[in-house]
Amino acid sequence: AQSVTQLDSHVSVSEGTPVLLRCNYSSSYSPSLFWYVQHPNKGLQLLLKYTSAATLVKGINGFEAEFKKSETSFHLTKPSAHMSDAAEYFCVVSDSVSGGYNKLIFGAGTRLAVHP
Amino acid sequence: SQTIHQWPATLVQPVGSPLSLECTVEGTSNPNLYWYRQAAGRGLQLLFYSVGIGQISSEVPQNLSASRPQDRQFILSSKKLLLSDSGFYLCAWTRGQWSYEQYFGPGTRLTVT
Repeated sequence: AQSVTQLDSHVSVSEGTPVLLRCNYSSSYSPSLFWYVQHPNKGLQLLLKYTSAATLVKGINGFEAEFKKSETSFHLTKPSAHMSDAAEYFCVVSDSVSGGYNKLIFGAGTRLAVHP
Repeated sequence: SQTIHQWPATLVQPVGSPLSLECTVEGTSNPNLYWYRQAAGRGLQLLFYSVGIGQISSEVPQNLSASRPQDRQFILSSKKLLLSDSGFYLCAWTRGQWSYEQYFGPGTRLTVT
């Protein structure tokens, strides 16, 4: 069965410094992987996705993630944090498709705080 | 472009009262639709999914039910709310079986008192 582990429940950075949110996955086959962001009391917004093409994936708002099969990791990075990046981030792996339904497995989330 | 709507945005209901939350998708046809619940400080729990009109599958047994009366409409209901039904309810859609990324609505904050 597929699973995803977000290694940090909280990350705090200063504005203008790099962001690293860590995610490890477990999958019995080549997975599709995603990062979503959720601002308080809002829905989830897709940041980026990996679907077996380029291993370095660029997303919106300057975020990117690198798929490393040997390390089973899909860490999210951004060179310079902005105050508006403060939110909850979810790493997500696709499960198998059955009966026309594609199931996603969500990590527990990482709360990113950005300080002035 | 596609958009997804949920209403109401917030709801406060007493224990034992009924519930109806609505989700609609615009700009696409025959989407797969999903209901999730996000309890405070916890991740997302998939409640129901639907691959077509009248086709509903439940992930976990609970006090809730779902219906899909039209292609782009998904409704979450309860006959009698429990305190434990409080949470943030999110609707999501995908283009179909071979599209993995899900697109989420703005959510409904439900407080059961």
